[in-house]
Amino acid sequence: RKEVEQDPGPFNVPEGATVAFNCTYSNSASQSFFWYRQDCRKEPKLLMSVYSSGNEDGRFTAQLNRASQYISLLIRDSKLSDSATYLCVVGLLTGGFKTIFGAGTRLFVKA
Amino acid sequence: GAVVSQHPSRVICKSGTSVKIECRSLDFQATTMFWYRQFPKQSLMLMATSNEGSKATYEQGVEKDKFLINHASLTLSTLTVTSAHPEDSSFYICSARSGLAQETQYFGPGTRLLVL
Repeated sequence: RKEVEQDPGPFNVPEGATVAFNCTYSNSASQSFFWYRQDCRKEPKLLMSVYSSGNEDGRFTAQLNRASQYISLLIRDSKLSDSATYLCVVGLLTGGFKTIFGAGTRLFVKA
Repeated sequence: GAVVSQHPSRVICKSGTSVKIECRSLDFQATTMFWYRQFPKQSLMLMATSNEGSKATYEQGVEKDKFLINHASLTLSTLTVTSAHPEDSSFYICSARSGLAQETQYFGPGTRLLVL
């Protein structure tokens, strides 16, 4: 089983749609959680951290369920510029802090 | 936000040669730097973690004698791919983390390596 698993996608949605991505992680000792965005042939960029209480940043809402070891990202009112690969990332301390990346979910937003 | 640079951004080399990639934190001191590799349509795979002044910690399956990592200062880490082969062709990305923000990682723009 992969340490971090995501919906494989791709998700093809029209502009203005709401889209949700899911992610599960296997290590219950995981301490921190993030969503990154990666554009084609570019490095990942932090989209938002994910907290147990849930957090929102504009059109983006992230949720964490530690009991189910589940993370989600909701994008409302999708824009063309949201087209990218979204990476679920989990951080844990194992003799030093390291981050584990999911394989990513591709999103295509079309006009 | 913090800036991390990588050099070169792209390199093409012949099989058997060695390639050095530099990763620099430009406006902060990076106590820890990470090296990742990403094959097409796959996720980033952590290769190794390096802490300034100490030996790098390699992930399982990554040959430390083939991928030499040096983290000689708080702003510079280098990855040398020794005796590169076509299967080493990949996108190599470094990231850096400062001691003040334990969990925030800043990624470099990546280096595309093509071994012919």
